[in-house]
Amino acid sequence: TQLLEQSPQFLSIQEGENLTVYCNSSSVFSSLQWYRQEPGEGPVLLVTVVTGGEVKKLKRLTFQFGDARKDSSLHITAAQPGDTGLYLCAGDTGANNLFFGTGTRLTVIP
Amino acid sequence: DAGITQSPRHKVTETGTPVTLRCHQTENHRYMYWYRQDPGHGLRLIHYSYGVKDTDKGEVSDGYSVSRSKTEDFLLTLESATSSQTSVYFCAIGEAGSTDTQYFGPGTRLTVL
Repeated sequence: TQLLEQSPQFLSIQEGENLTVYCNSSSVFSSLQWYRQEPGEGPVLLVTVVTGGEVKKLKRLTFQFGDARKDSSLHITAAQPGDTGLYLCAGDTGANNLFFGTGTRLTVIP
Repeated sequence: DAGITQSPRHKVTETGTPVTLRCHQTENHRYMYWYRQDPGHGLRLIHYSYGVKDTDKGEVSDGYSVSRSKTEDFLLTLESATSSQTSVYFCAIGEAGSTDTQYFGPGTRLTVL
């Protein structure tokens, strides 16, 4: 059962452009995490959002948790080649594990 | 970086053979997880452990077993490997279950011919 759908699946943009990645579900999550994964490595946590409507900023990255805690978005301003990677959202249902989204593969072209 | 190692990093095996993957941590974290990552599916949880000898099934546990006899080691066993188990396997650790940050190992690429 796939609880989290991410869109778009692939995204290729020029350096300096802005972009938004979406993470949607029909399930409610107690919290949601965003990870970035580079080729040949494991995912690394970027942020955790807990409260419905919460917005967190990490330099040029802005994360928002939906009011109903079913969806989230990641907005990157002025993308740079170093932002290239696979972005994964992961929802906590309250059990002892996370459900990961399908991922968005971002390529930023210099 | 969290101290997590996985071994082997790459393995090619034949259908029907047993395979064991090892995850070792030096962080003394309580929780340990095994995931598989496949194109179009993201990361899917296989099994997890919340303490020594305490394990539970995840989303895709069929065909896999795990053991945790020490805090630092979490073993994933494929009793009889199948081609559908060709994947990249990641181990992760965490202190406080799913609400906490999970730190991932570098992954093991397994190919079953």
